[in-house]
Amino acid sequence: DQQVKQNSPSLSVQEGRISILNCDYTNSMFDYFLWYKKYPAEGPTFLISISSIKDKNEDGRFTVFLNKSAKHLSLHIVPSQPGDSAVYFCAAKSANTGTASKLTFGTGTRLQVTL
Amino acid sequence: SQTIHQWPATLVQPVGSPLSLECTVEGTSNPNLYWYRQAAGRGLQLLFYSVGIGQISSEVPQNLSASRPQDRQFILSSKKLLLSDSGFYLCAWSDMDTQYFGPGTRLTVL
Repeated sequence: DQQVKQNSPSLSVQEGRISILNCDYTNSMFDYFLWYKKYPAEGPTFLISISSIKDKNEDGRFTVFLNKSAKHLSLHIVPSQPGDSAVYFCAAKSANTGTASKLTFGTGTRLQVTL
Repeated sequence: SQTIHQWPATLVQPVGSPLSLECTVEGTSNPNLYWYRQAAGRGLQLLFYSVGIGQISSEVPQNLSASRPQDRQFILSSKKLLLSDSGFYLCAWSDMDTQYFGPGTRLTVL
């Protein structure tokens, strides 16, 4: 049962344009969402997060939008740069995991930013 | 600032051999610690997590075990490796809601 889904395995965007990465979830108990960026043979790097009490969070070129009614979140990167080329993982935390802060990850979307 | 270390970076082991991967965290106390595996072309699967010394929770039944002998040390082990244990193993720590990952260990079982 894939509770966090990233339905687009890959995305190609021109440098300078907007990249939009999407994520859907099924568990209504998720209350905190995160995006990670991963280069090959490296650990994921935390990018940005959003609490379920908000619908938008912005950090520089990165903005995450949350639509709780649709159980959908998206990551916008503006403008896209070649260094943004990586695999992006969406992750979610349930409100009832106690102190463990366990995350459920999507399968990732590979973003390629072309010149 | 906090840093997380994993070693070795790469490992090639024969089927049936033992395994020990180590993870240590610096710059924080009493972190939650996690072991994940990323199989080829797949997402991140949580294997074990620990909220304190000696406390280990297993997420999926498997050929692996974990231990936390010290506050900032997390070890992933196996007595006999299987081919299916190949993958990229990641350790992570958290103090609140966000997890921070180490550089990972690439394990190939032949």
